[in-house]
Amino acid sequence: KAGVTQTPRYLIKTRGQQVTLSCSPISGHRSVSWYQQTPGQGLQFLFEYFSETQRNKGNFPGRFSGRQFSNSRSEMNVSTLELGDSALYLCASRTSGSNEQFFGPGTRLTVL
Amino acid sequence: LAKTTQPISMDSYEGQEVNITCSHNNIATNDYITWYQQFPSQGPRFIIQGYKTKVTNEVASLFIPADRKSSTLSLPRVSLSDTAVYYCLVGAPPGGGNKLTFGTGTQLKVEL
Repeated sequence: KAGVTQTPRYLIKTRGQQVTLSCSPISGHRSVSWYQQTPGQGLQFLFEYFSETQRNKGNFPGRFSGRQFSNSRSEMNVSTLELGDSALYLCASRTSGSNEQFFGPGTRLTVL
Repeated sequence: LAKTTQPISMDSYEGQEVNITCSHNNIATNDYITWYQQFPSQGPRFIIQGYKTKVTNEVASLFIPADRKSSTLSLPRVSLSDTAVYYCLVGAPPGGGNKLTFGTGTQLKVEL
């Protein structure tokens, strides 16, 4: 079974731009969560989607948004990028009856 | 959300047993305890999960005392490849939501 895939793997943007990251969960997994990882703040939960609905949300500003499609693929969007948004963005999927999350390799976003 | 406290780092040698303890004084009745492992430039990987007493799988054991205010991840006979960051999390029961909070983690370094 293929694992969680994320595209692109690396991205360089400038301040003020917006970016969209994509995540394809493991087949059959309907829950997709997004995390931001930085050296200073560690791994922080952004949001979780299940069956195209946002089920949980972390403490991030409204510039961070996401969505999930009917095939469970998910996208995360960050608008008006700031230097502090430079981070590794991780996506994780799981089945509805389990807490075991399967993480993708992440997208490394650099904001200049 | 229950906050976790772990040692920042630990050192060990190949073949030794490593025990990493996590404190979670405010754990809720419904919370499960989960441990993840993360290698550099990779997403975290699920190791083990438990609610109380002891859980064992092919890679680790998890010891949880009766008051559940702490837990200990035990890695038997570590090898160099076990060098990684280990995260302790407490959060919702399986299927009950996914707003998991990752702490700062414990950097385990295994040497020859």
